[in-house]
Amino acid sequence: GAGVSQSPSNKVTEKGKDVELRCDPISGHTALYWYRQRLGQGLEFLIYFQGNSAPDKSGLPSDRFSAERTGESVSTLTIQRTQQEDSAVYLCASSLALAGGETQYFGPGTRLLVL
Amino acid sequence: SQQGEEDPQALSIQEGENATMNCSYKTSINNLQWYRQNSGRGLVHLILIRSNEREKHSGRLRVTLDTSKKSSSLLITASRAADTASYFCGTGGFKTIFGAGTRLFVKA
Repeated sequence: GAGVSQSPSNKVTEKGKDVELRCDPISGHTALYWYRQRLGQGLEFLIYFQGNSAPDKSGLPSDRFSAERTGESVSTLTIQRTQQEDSAVYLCASSLALAGGETQYFGPGTRLLVL
Repeated sequence: SQQGEEDPQALSIQEGENATMNCSYKTSINNLQWYRQNSGRGLVHLILIRSNEREKHSGRLRVTLDTSKKSSSLLITASRAADTASYFCGTGGFKTIFGAGTRLFVKA
């Protein structure tokens, strides 16, 4: 596709349920990033992938959060047993490569609301 | 804590005026990038300045970088109502770290 896409655009869920957020990066981009942005705040780095590998998972807020990437393409961010504090916009970005701080191209985000 | 910190947090100006936003960072960088965000959605890349550059221009945007002070500024000249958005700086590397952003409001 022409850009990074994310689905769903919006997700409303009940506390305690699991959610899956999907990111389709730009074709050929080896690096993929997930961020969380709470209302009115900056971006909080969660995890990045180089290919299918996630060398650094230290940004994930808790063990309820996990992410995977397959085929150097689609990535899924899973939040188990959601809490109200998980409500935020989850942004995905991709870049051609990882080293040197390549320009990141962002998707439109998934707005998650946990009731 | 955030690697990039922008100031001011919010800025309100009249259309036609210039807007200046600043960013400070803490560690050494390869480059610094400025992004724009509308309505809490995805960020759009504006400009990248490398650590060996001091100033860069792109249309109405001018970015400066002072590595000795670990700071950068973004100047938008002749602002337009459509420039209303949040602006973030990000430091390059394996994790691009963003600050909380500057919210710019341009009044028509």
